[in-house]
Amino acid sequence: EPEVTQTPSHQVTQMGQEVILRCVPISNHLYFYWYRQILGQKVEFLVSFYNNEISEKSEIFDDQFSVERPDGSNFTLKIRSTKLEDSAMYFCASKSSAGFTDTQYFGPGTRLTVL
Amino acid sequence: AQSVTQPDIHITVSEGASLELRCNYSYGATPYLFWYVQSPGQGLQLLLKYFSGDTLVQGIKGFEAEFKRSQSSFNLRKPSVHWSDAAEYFCAVAFNQAGTALIFGKGTTLSVSS
Repeated sequence: EPEVTQTPSHQVTQMGQEVILRCVPISNHLYFYWYRQILGQKVEFLVSFYNNEISEKSEIFDDQFSVERPDGSNFTLKIRSTKLEDSAMYFCASKSSAGFTDTQYFGPGTRLTVL
Repeated sequence: AQSVTQPDIHITVSEGASLELRCNYSYGATPYLFWYVQSPGQGLQLLLKYFSGDTLVQGIKGFEAEFKRSQSSFNLRKPSVHWSDAAEYFCAVAFNQAGTALIFGKGTTLSVSS
């Protein structure tokens, strides 16, 4: 069964450093998402991406964050200057088409630790 | 504001016993409702979803959920829990137009005792 993959599984970085989290969505999917979960808190939506542009973003997704689909397979989340509060589990998800009848498939997550 | 509440942070159930995980939402209209499960080291896997029609929906792994509009609830149930069901369970809703975000509850951790 096709699945969403994410790398790395765990990333440790120093405060102020840039990090790039990588995701490979399911190959025929067109909609892509990033969510995060701070330890003990809710899974929160960050951004959705379709047709090479952001279609929706939350208040969390400020200028420190950016997303890109650099080639036909990868979908990346970049944090330009990490803060302690960026420590969280980051989930990538993808969906084949618009509409609620299609399921968002999630990857296993990248645990980001900012020291 | 739109929100999802899972009142139980942690539940322990004996193997073979029945299970009900609670989920309530706050929204003026009928949302689109989902239950996901996350096992350690795994991604979020969809158990079931509700869009319209029959308010009792069946999912994978023997789970079902019932949408109750009057209670703004979408509780997840399973008649007989297996040890492999131990995981974290997330209720989620989508309120907006196509392709948009899911709003998640905080999750309920299920432990299964033998």
